[in-house]
Amino acid sequence: QSVLTQPPSVSEAPRQRVTISCSGSSSNIGNNPVNWYQQLPGKAPKLLIYYDDLLPSGVSDRFSGSKSGTSASLAISGLRSEDEADYYCATWDDSLNGNVFGTGTKVTVL
Amino acid sequence: QVQVQESGPGLVKPSETLSLTCTVSGGSISNNYWTWIRQPPGMGLEWIGHIYYSGSTNYNPSLKSRVTISVDMSKNQFSLKLSSVTAADTAIYYCARQKVNYYNSGSYYVFDPWGQGTLVTVSS
Repeated sequence: QSVLTQPPSVSEAPRQRVTISCSGSSSNIGNNPVNWYQQLPGKAPKLLIYYDDLLPSGVSDRFSGSKSGTSASLAISGLRSEDEADYYCATWDDSLNGNVFGTGTKVTVL
Repeated sequence: QVQVQESGPGLVKPSETLSLTCTVSGGSISNNYWTWIRQPPGMGLEWIGHIYYSGSTNYNPSLKSRVTISVDMSKNQFSLKLSSVTAADTAIYYCARQKVNYYNSGSYYVFDPWGQGTLVTVSS
């Protein structure tokens, strides 16, 4: 089971804003940068946010990341139908000495 | 532009060894970490382990006793072997580059790019 906890699902109407939380501990989020991955239906995951809040080239600025203490968040503003996907947080865990993923959150655009 | 692609059998019998290969194209396997991640049907992502091009490895503690990751620099490939498989090992297996980024307090990894994934079913 994952050491990073996310809500199973969030939903909102088009053009609205959603926030996804990722809760960890001092051995992972509290001491290491967090990345976020987007997995569109039937596709491989893709890097969405890195180093807590940086966007790779080509990623829409409607996506933003933040971190405080042992929790991180991903926000999607101006929600669009193409944002319907699963979203995963990920980081390194010093205690496990390995990479860990969040439980994943399914975003639905109503 | 680096690309990675998984290959291997889609069906493995229980108790046997799952073997997959990831081919790196558009760049060298040198000076990078490479990783395996899996996703059971309808479930979340699980990191399996990674290898540095020099051959040093790090495995998920929950799978460590059954996992071997190796690299073949001459073929620009790295491979995964998972022994004594059961139905619980049925999953989409992804390979990816595990890129190291540095900041003032240390380093961190990002998985980019990913392969398209390959479904491996464990069944007799």
